[in-house]
Amino acid sequence: QPVLTQSSSASASLGSSVKLTCTLSGGHSNSIIAWHQQPPGKAPRYLMKVEGSGNYKKGSGVPDRFSGSSSGADCYLTISDLQSEDEADYYCETWDSNIQVFGTGTKVTVL
Amino acid sequence: EVQLVESGGGLVQPGGSLRLSCAASGFTLSAYWMHWVRQAPGKGLVWVSRINSDGTTIRYADSVKGRFTISRDNAKNTLYVQMNSLRAEDTAVYYCARVPVGVGISDYWGQGTLVTVSS
Repeated sequence: QPVLTQSSSASASLGSSVKLTCTLSGGHSNSIIAWHQQPPGKAPRYLMKVEGSGNYKKGSGVPDRFSGSSSGADCYLTISDLQSEDEADYYCETWDSNIQVFGTGTKVTVL
Repeated sequence: EVQLVESGGGLVQPGGSLRLSCAASGFTLSAYWMHWVRQAPGKGLVWVSRINSDGTTIRYADSVKGRFTISRDNAKNTLYVQMNSLRAEDTAVYYCARVPVGVGISDYWGQGTLVTVSS
């Protein structure tokens, strides 16, 4: 079954950029990975889906500062012009016919 | 506007049962798969169960298999999970999430409902 690996934390200065990585391993997945944002004490929010081709499509209302890409087994979420409200946990997600999988999450701190 | 509203959480003793509901609005529930996902205090998101559009294909995480039952009533626009034989490790916020058919990943989330299993 698929396994998603994320680094536990990342930090960057206000107004700068940060790039989060989600690495797929294990069994076959359907080559679509989603990114979700969870601010402290709130429910997750869907940000975007990223296809194996590297194309991405954002959810409704997601700021232009958020973008996605992929290369091989790695899927990326880039946040440009980092804002204080971007401080949150970020999770990647994928699926196959039998299981849904979430990464362990990356905590982003805005310095 | 798409909305998912969970209810039914609360305090239950070990070995007890609870049924959670997820009321959907702003879209046609019957056109989507649905998930339950949980999050223990201070921990990450963990998938619990998935049901396809008409309820004929269901999957469970190993940790809840045989104890939890997911179901849906498309006419009532509601998703359910019946949780039996509850354990302390089932303590978590439970979220329902919408899943576009063929895409497989969650594109809308509810606000969650807290289940606490404790004596």
